[in-house]
Amino acid sequence: AQSVTQLDSQVPVFEEAPVELRCNYSSSVSVYLFWYVQYPNQGLQLLLKYLSGSTLVKGINGFEAEFNKSQTSFHLRKPSVHISDTAEYFCAVSDPGKRDDKIIFGKGTRLHILP
Amino acid sequence: NAGVTQTPKFQVLKTGQSMTLQCAQDMNHEYMSWYRQDPGMGLRLIHYSVGAGITDQGEVPNGYNVSRSTTEDFPLRLLSAAPSQTSVYFCASSLGLAEAQYFGPGTRLTVL
Repeated sequence: AQSVTQLDSQVPVFEEAPVELRCNYSSSVSVYLFWYVQYPNQGLQLLLKYLSGSTLVKGINGFEAEFNKSQTSFHLRKPSVHISDTAEYFCAVSDPGKRDDKIIFGKGTRLHILP
Repeated sequence: NAGVTQTPKFQVLKTGQSMTLQCAQDMNHEYMSWYRQDPGMGLRLIHYSVGAGITDQGEVPNGYNVSRSTTEDFPLRLLSAAPSQTSVYFCASSLGLAEAQYFGPGTRLTVL
């Protein structure tokens, strides 16, 4: 079964600085990869997804992620963060090649934006 | 499009009480799921459905029941609430089990 690891439970970063949130998944022949954002007291919202094709995926709010098959990683990046990016971010993975495979979520990374 | 809706937003129960969390979607998605979110645990799948009349267990099904009589609705029943079921519950729908999930706003449940 697939698994996903978010290496940092919390990441503090100054406003307007760049940020990278790390995500690694267990190896599989085929993968779908996702990043979700959860603002305080809200549900999860899809930021971006990788299904196939270009390894650099652009999402909403200026975020992007790069699929690296050799390193089994899907790190999320933003070149300049804002206070409004304060949230928890979840990486998720699924294996579309396996019948009945379901999405597995990481434990989340809290992004703290420092003024 | 309302997307995925959940009611109630908040609920307090006493140990042993039962209740139903409601979930509805208007995107005509075949797949629907229930998750619980606890601090430091991420999201854990409780039950899911691949279509009307078909449900299956997820990672943490004990103490919960589901049914799916229509494509739109997927209620979650707590049979006899326990303090360990204090959590935030999210319903989600999708085009497929491995596809992007679309989440509702959540129900915050406290069991005393």
